[in-house]
Amino acid sequence: AQTVTQSQPEMSVQEAETVTLSCTYDTSESNYYLFWYKQPPSRQMILVIRQEAYKQQNATENRFSVNFQKAAKSFSLKISDSQLGDTAMYFCAFARKAAGNKLTFGGGTRVLVKP
Amino acid sequence: DVKVTQSSRYLVKRTGEKVFLECVQDMDHENMFWYRQDPGLGLRLIYFSYDVKMKEKGDIPEGYSVSREKKERFSLILESASTNQTSMYLCASSLRTGFTGANVLTFGAGSRLTVL
Repeated sequence: AQTVTQSQPEMSVQEAETVTLSCTYDTSESNYYLFWYKQPPSRQMILVIRQEAYKQQNATENRFSVNFQKAAKSFSLKISDSQLGDTAMYFCAFARKAAGNKLTFGGGTRVLVKP
Repeated sequence: DVKVTQSSRYLVKRTGEKVFLECVQDMDHENMFWYRQDPGLGLRLIYFSYDVKMKEKGDIPEGYSVSREKKERFSLILESASTNQTSMYLCASSLRTGFTGANVLTFGAGSRLTVL
C-alpha cells in the first residue's frame, strides 16, 4: 500500500515571502501521479498542481511550483510571493496510474499567511 | 457554478440512527468518491464508484455502504451511526480513467457529521 507523509502540521509565513511544504511518499510503482490540493477555510478542496512521475521537469502553476525528487520519493510545494488567500490546508496526494483515480492523501499542512 | 453538491453541510445524529449523505455532480463524470477527513489523518477513501450501480471498497469501508442508481448521484449510507463516525465527509468526482485529466478530482464542500 502507498503512504503519503507530510511532516509539517502547521507553517506560517509573512505575506510576500516564500514557504515550502514537504511531502514524502512510499511506493514500489514506477508510473504514478502526484498532486497538491488546497482546502481554504470555506472547505472546498481545489487542485493546486499535478506532476506525472515520468516527467523530469518540475510542474509550475503561477506562484506554485514543485520540487519532484523521484529517487528520494519527495514532492515538495513552494509557494512564492505568499498572499493572504493562500491561507489554507494543503494536502499532498498520490495516485497509481494503474489504479485509476483513487488518490491517497497525506495528513495535511496548515499554512497561515500573516499580513 | 457549483459542480459537486453535498446536500447537507452540517448534520447531528444519534447513535444507532441510519444516516444518508447525498452527493450530486453536474459534470457528467463517470467516477465518484466518498472520502472521510479527520485532523492529522488527511483524507481516507471510503468507497468509490466508476459507473452506475458499480462500487468498490476503499481503505475504510467498514460501517458504510453506498448507492449509485444514477450517474450524477452517489449516496453514502451509515446503517447504524456510531460516535467514531463523527467526521467531515467529502464527495468528489472525476472523468473516466484513461481520459486526459481523469485523475483530477472535483470536490464538494463537505458534510460535517456529528454522532451523539
